[in-house]
Amino acid sequence: DAGVIQSPRHEVTEMGQEVTLRCKPISGHNSLFWYRQTMMRGLELLIYFNNNVPIDDSGMPEDRFSAKMPNASFSTLKIQPSEPRDSAVYFCASSNTGLLNYGYTFGSGTRLTVV
Amino acid sequence: AQSVSQHNHHVILSEAASLELGCNYSYGGTVNLFWYVQYPGQHLQLLLKYFSGDPLVKGIKGFEAEFIKSKFSFNLRKPSVQWSDTAEYFCAVNAGSSNTGKLIFGQGTTLQVKP
Repeated sequence: DAGVIQSPRHEVTEMGQEVTLRCKPISGHNSLFWYRQTMMRGLELLIYFNNNVPIDDSGMPEDRFSAKMPNASFSTLKIQPSEPRDSAVYFCASSNTGLLNYGYTFGSGTRLTVV
Repeated sequence: AQSVSQHNHHVILSEAASLELGCNYSYGGTVNLFWYVQYPGQHLQLLLKYFSGDPLVKGIKGFEAEFIKSKFSFNLRKPSVQWSDTAEYFCAVNAGSSNTGKLIFGQGTTLQVKP
């Protein structure tokens, strides 16, 4: 298995532009999580899906952020419009809650820089 | 609400020194506990996990952790650290009653090992 795949690895964009981050979870995993990591705030859970359904989006900072999971093998996190304070590393993780093993597998992250 | 507290934000050790990183959680029921490591510039990787049974859990790279239920603690230990252990370490908890696999992470502890 290739693991959790995120794209792009790095993204530099200008303030006001739309940014779309992508994630492909591990096949067979039924939960998907989006995290944001910054020096100031550490790891923040933005939103998570269970069986493609958003369960808790209380961590999404503003209406500028949105996430979708149209099917079990793909999710997107969109920021529109982007702002410099959105600069961070965004991680996607997946897990299989049908097993007793609730550990996540993380993707390599997308480093977003908004200038 | 569940929470995870890591007492040390930044630890500096010399090679061969012993390591213990503290982790406390707040949840009175059944919990699953995890330690993740993030090497510089990389994503989070699972070090070890506890679900049930022997409260002393052994993980990869010589790490171990002890679950002490009465103290709500899950401290990470390693008898002799190496320079390559320089990384950030995250403790995480999942409440056993949850069926979504959501993990709550601590703030992280940065370990710097001097050669």
